[in-house]
Amino acid sequence: NAGVTQTPKFQVLKTGQSMTLQCAQDMNHEYMSWYRQDPGMGLRLIHYSVGAGITDQGEVPNGYNVSRSTTEDFPLRLLSAAPSQTSVYFCASSPGQGGYEQYFGPGTRLTVT
Amino acid sequence: KQEVTQIPAALSVPEGENLVLNCSFTDSAIYNLQWFRQDPGKGLTSLLLIQSSQREQTSGRLNASLDKSSGRSTLYIAASQPGDSATYLCAVRANNAGNMLTFGGGTRLMVKP
Repeated sequence: NAGVTQTPKFQVLKTGQSMTLQCAQDMNHEYMSWYRQDPGMGLRLIHYSVGAGITDQGEVPNGYNVSRSTTEDFPLRLLSAAPSQTSVYFCASSPGQGGYEQYFGPGTRLTVT
Repeated sequence: KQEVTQIPAALSVPEGENLVLNCSFTDSAIYNLQWFRQDPGKGLTSLLLIQSSQREQTSGRLNASLDKSSGRSTLYIAASQPGDSATYLCAVRANNAGNMLTFGGGTRLMVKP
């Protein structure tokens, strides 16, 4: 059981480039989400999904796009990278909505120059 | 809007001490509270999950308490060890926020041999 996996671990982008951060979980969890972690701001929710085909916005969704075609995968797309998107990105999953524990992946450290 | 505060921001103690990390939140209408550990450059590891109806949870040398009415949680670490050195984060899930977690800024703990 690998849990929540994320690729890549590190990425450097130039302003305006696009890329996709990958997230996968092998626990058959319905709920998946993306957070970003910034110094002084803590972790903030970007987008989330309550099941395949269903996504919604979190606190800081601008500049990001998501889709959920399978239960296992929840990729995060940066449409046109900006220096303000330099951050560490974490994917999380839980069995469903409700009082469940949430499990986090190892993170992707993104730098936009 | 829910706000979560962790005090102290940093703590350095000699090995063997018992210590208490504090977490406070502004809105007591929470579903549950989760404590995490984060090692430098790594993801979040879930330590304890307390549902709103519970007063405490224990795992090994860790004990977390919850006083929902006063908006406080504490994480007690018994007989601290150098391997406990990490950042500890608390996060609350509010009743009206889906599965979104609101995080505190963390307490950076250093346990000296």
